[in-house]
Amino acid sequence: QKEVEQDPGPLSVPEGAIVSLNCTYSNSAFQYFMWYRQYSRKGPELLMYTYSSGNKEDGRFTAQVDKSSKYISLFIRDSQPSDSATYLCAMSPMDSNYQLIWGAGTKLIIKP
Amino acid sequence: DAGVIQSPRHEVTEMGQEVTLRCKPISGHDYLFWYRQTMMRGLELLIYFNNNVPIDDSGMPEDRFSAKMPNASFSTLKIQPSEPRDSAVYFCASSFQLRETQYFGPGTRLLVL
Repeated sequence: QKEVEQDPGPLSVPEGAIVSLNCTYSNSAFQYFMWYRQYSRKGPELLMYTYSSGNKEDGRFTAQVDKSSKYISLFIRDSQPSDSATYLCAMSPMDSNYQLIWGAGTKLIIKP
Repeated sequence: DAGVIQSPRHEVTEMGQEVTLRCKPISGHDYLFWYRQTMMRGLELLIYFNNNVPIDDSGMPEDRFSAKMPNASFSTLKIQPSEPRDSAVYFCASSFQLRETQYFGPGTRLLVL
């Protein structure tokens, strides 16, 4: 079993829909949670960063962490065709000696 | 800052040939990472450096792969001899701290025939 599980998709939704992307993890020591967005033929870039539990909002994007369920989510409101990309979750424990553990990425397609 | 720079952007080679990928990290970043991305396996960390010193190379698939960082502004990933299963996109990334935002380069698309 991988430490971080993420459905590779693709997930196809109509423009304007609310999108929910998710990752589950097995290591209860994970404290830092990140979402990266990767456009086709580009490198990943950081989208959202959260620490421990709770929600964080940035414009149309909301990152949510449920440590009791070992489950993180990224919500995209009013989705746009420009949101079409692969979304990767990444996480690490509090110990600063640990590198990020990555999910496989979910390919998202927003249909105009 | 120009961001993380990688070269070449594309590489096509024949099985058995040596391949060298290059990376220039963002100035001031202490950490440099080499990743490999394929459809089947996703993004895999191969090796990372802290202040030019290799810290964890447990992701390097086998002895055919080697990485060096001779100074703070340059790193190479070498595959010798290359095999078709090495075909992938190789990313270099850098960051200030291990757990902080990683900035990725545009990647090198490697095709081994």
